Order: sequence, then C-alpha cells, then structure tokens
Amino acid sequence: DGGITQSPKYLFRKEGQNVTLSCEQNLNHDAMYWYRQDPGQGLRLIYYSQIVNDFQKGDIAEGYSVSREKKESFPLTVTSAQKNPTAFYLCASSIGQGFYGYTFGSGTRLTVV
Amino acid sequence: DAKTTQPPSMDCAEGRAANLPCNHSTISGNEYVYWYRQIHSQGPQYIIHGLKNNETNEMASLIITEDRKSSTLILPHATLRDTAVYYCIVRTGVNQGGKLIFGQGTELSVKP
Repeated sequence: DGGITQSPKYLFRKEGQNVTLSCEQNLNHDAMYWYRQDPGQGLRLIYYSQIVNDFQKGDIAEGYSVSREKKESFPLTVTSAQKNPTAFYLCASSIGQGFYGYTFGSGTRLTVV
Repeated sequence: DAKTTQPPSMDCAEGRAANLPCNHSTISGNEYVYWYRQIHSQGPQYIIHGLKNNETNEMASLIITEDRKSSTLILPHATLRDTAVYYCIVRTGVNQGGKLIFGQGTELSVKP
C-alpha cells in the first residue's frame, strides 16, 4: 500500500543532542513538508521541499535542518539550537503543489529531557 | 492566504448531522476553502475543498455562501469516530510556496 511513514513514533533525547526524524513516502509525490504541533495548537510549517535537492524554510525553521537527496525521503534534524524541541512532528507529501490535498504521516512525538 | 475563524468546540449527537462553520471574510477570488480533520495524536486527514460551488464527497459536504465569506462543513450522519479537530483552511490554487496554514480548528465531540 502506498503511504507516508514516519519513524520512530516516540523519541526521547537528552538536551543538547541533535536528533533526526525520518519521513519516507512511496506515493511518488513531488512535494514534502514538515510541521510541528504543540499541545492544543494547530500545525506550524518548519520546512518544505517541492523537488529533489531543493527546499525552503517555513515559518519556524530556526533550529532545524532538512535534506532532500531522494524523492522518497525528507529527513528532519532537530539541532541543539532549537530552544524548545519537545513537540509532535508531522511529515506530509503532496502531488505537485497540493491542490488535491496533502497526505500526512502518523507523526513522531519527540521528548527532550 | 486569508485568515479563518472557527468556534473552538462543538458537540453533536451520534447519527445526527454535524454542521461546522468557518468564517473567511477576507477571502480572495482565487482562494479555495479546504477542510482537514485530525484525530487525536494522528496526522491530519484531507476531507474536501471547494471554490464557489457546493461540493460533496463520500466523507462530507461543503457549503460555501454566495459571497464566499463563510462556509459550512456537513457530516451528514456523525459517528463516534468523527470525533476530531476540524481545520478550515483558505489557500490559493496556485501554490504560495507550499504553505498550508492551520489555525486552532474546531474540536468536534460526537456523543452517544
């Protein structure tokens, strides 16, 4: 079945450590996105990529980095520069510019202790 | 993209229609209305979108007022599994850099 997979579902890290969240899709979608969600809040866009080897900052990119070396993969690194990294992270993909909707993964809940 | 306003929460009896309102008074002529929902601790799910005309699919109906300043998402026969946060989003059909901006949404509770 086609879909978008995020792993792991839960992740714990010590403060000051970088951590990389995985996002893989087999939908042959061009565009991929990373969102962050805090408790009781809507989603905020971190980074997005519309084609391989290209990506743009979203509204809250500080302290995060991404790469898009393959169409299927869009990993997100949460660096030690991110002041408040504990959150629910969601990856999404879309055909072209997402006119017919985005497909979301099931999310990774990151807790930094 | 235009801003949307939704009530923070609503209740609905199981089996009845759930009507979720959304105000988007600053919507532009080329902006579409999208609806997504998010069940607790899962990724959001696309429901429906429209420009001017009312739309219907297997999940829901979307009613857009003639002046396009507001819309209503209708779940015709709500079930307990429809309990979720529903997001109304306005965006252009031509992408503005891939941004899908989520507000606070409406938390719908379907009760037996």
